[in-house]
Amino acid sequence: GENVEQHPSTLSVQEGDSAVIKCTYSDSASNYFPWYKQELGKRPQLIIDIRSNVGEKKDQRIAVTLNKTAKHFSLHITETQPEDSAVYFCAAENTGNQFYFGTGTSLTVIP
Amino acid sequence: ETGVTQTPRHLVMGMTNKKSLKCEQHLGHNAMYWYKQSAKKPLELMFVYNFKEQTENNSVPSRFSPECPNSSHLFLHLHTLQPEDSALYLCASSQVNRGMNTEAFFGQGTRLTVV
Repeated sequence: GENVEQHPSTLSVQEGDSAVIKCTYSDSASNYFPWYKQELGKRPQLIIDIRSNVGEKKDQRIAVTLNKTAKHFSLHITETQPEDSAVYFCAAENTGNQFYFGTGTSLTVIP
Repeated sequence: ETGVTQTPRHLVMGMTNKKSLKCEQHLGHNAMYWYKQSAKKPLELMFVYNFKEQTENNSVPSRFSPECPNSSHLFLHLHTLQPEDSALYLCASSQVNRGMNTEAFFGQGTRLTVV
């Protein structure tokens, strides 16, 4: 099955700085890569996603890049704000419609 | 309430008990999932159902038994659990179209404690 690795496990940044979270995956057949944000005590919610036919996608302060050759993808958050503090999960979905998640990154934005 | 509802929200059970977790999705999706979320661990995929058919069982112990009576409902039957099974159990659903998936919507989860 798919193996998704995520780094770092914890990340602290000053408000206004950028944050980058990186993930790698093992199954070259995976073709859909969503990112989820989970606030304390709440359910994971999708913040951005990218498909294998796209190299980069941006939505306001959030961007995701995908390198299919190297099998890695990254989440970039610019101009971070305290409300960005949460746990972020990357995921890879293969052709069997199975989502495999990374270990999560706990992001803290310091005011 | 959002599209995926889980009950109960909290459950405490003894190791000899039998209980069931329930998940219901109101989004018209055709795929449903059970995930286990433990402290400092990734979301672990347990079971996948596409069009009510189980397509994945990720080496889950037999003390966890899923049931999908229709595309809107998913159950997880629990019996003779161990303390290490204590975790947050999340249900999710998504729409699969011609093999292409869309985002997974999660329920609020059931916080399970095995004593």
